[in-house]
Amino acid sequence: NAGVMQNPRHLVRRRGQEARLRCSPMKGHSHVYWYRQLPEEGLKFMVYLQKENIIDESGMPKERFSAEFPKEGPSILRIQQVVRGDSAAYFCASSPERGASYEQYFGPGTRLTVT
Amino acid sequence: QQPVQSPQAVILREGEDAVINCSSSKALYSVHWYRQKHGEAPVFLMILLKGGEQKGHEKISASFNEKKQQSSLYLTASQLSYSGTYFCGTFYNNNDMRFGAGTRLTVKP
Repeated sequence: NAGVMQNPRHLVRRRGQEARLRCSPMKGHSHVYWYRQLPEEGLKFMVYLQKENIIDESGMPKERFSAEFPKEGPSILRIQQVVRGDSAAYFCASSPERGASYEQYFGPGTRLTVT
Repeated sequence: QQPVQSPQAVILREGEDAVINCSSSKALYSVHWYRQKHGEAPVFLMILLKGGEQKGHEKISASFNEKKQQSSLYLTASQLSYSGTYFCGTFYNNNDMRFGAGTRLTVKP
């Protein structure tokens, strides 16, 4: 059973460009979470999505960031007009059901570097 | 709101024990524990639910005091492979998890 997949693993963007990060959840999982991790820091919740729905985006910056999880295909985290402060590791995680009782399985992360 | 973990870092010799704590100022639905090695993804260790149910690895033990809104992870007879950063994640509602800042554990031979 393939795990959570993320691509690309490393992404370099110049300031002002767009970054698109993709996440394919584990087979049978329809719940996806995105987290951001700065070097030597913890994981910060960004957004929780179910197929075709954003359930909670309270951790996402109001501008430049958006996320989707279409009926077909991977979940996408999109960062427009990137700035140096966006440089971080972005992890997605999936779970089989919604909520506090279910473990989350993490992908390997996308390391975004903004130059 | 983010849970608070302590200690921030701990160094052990192989075979020694350690306790990592996680506390919250708000009522919790559940506490999750993950371990992350440098440059890798976090790996699930355990979930502790209200009412006492636990799910996770047999070799890991943890407690959840619902009244005090605290959880502790117990690492006994530590091995070199236990090294990494341990994060607790707390659910305050049924939607999203907030992670603590992490506890860096180093096990030396």
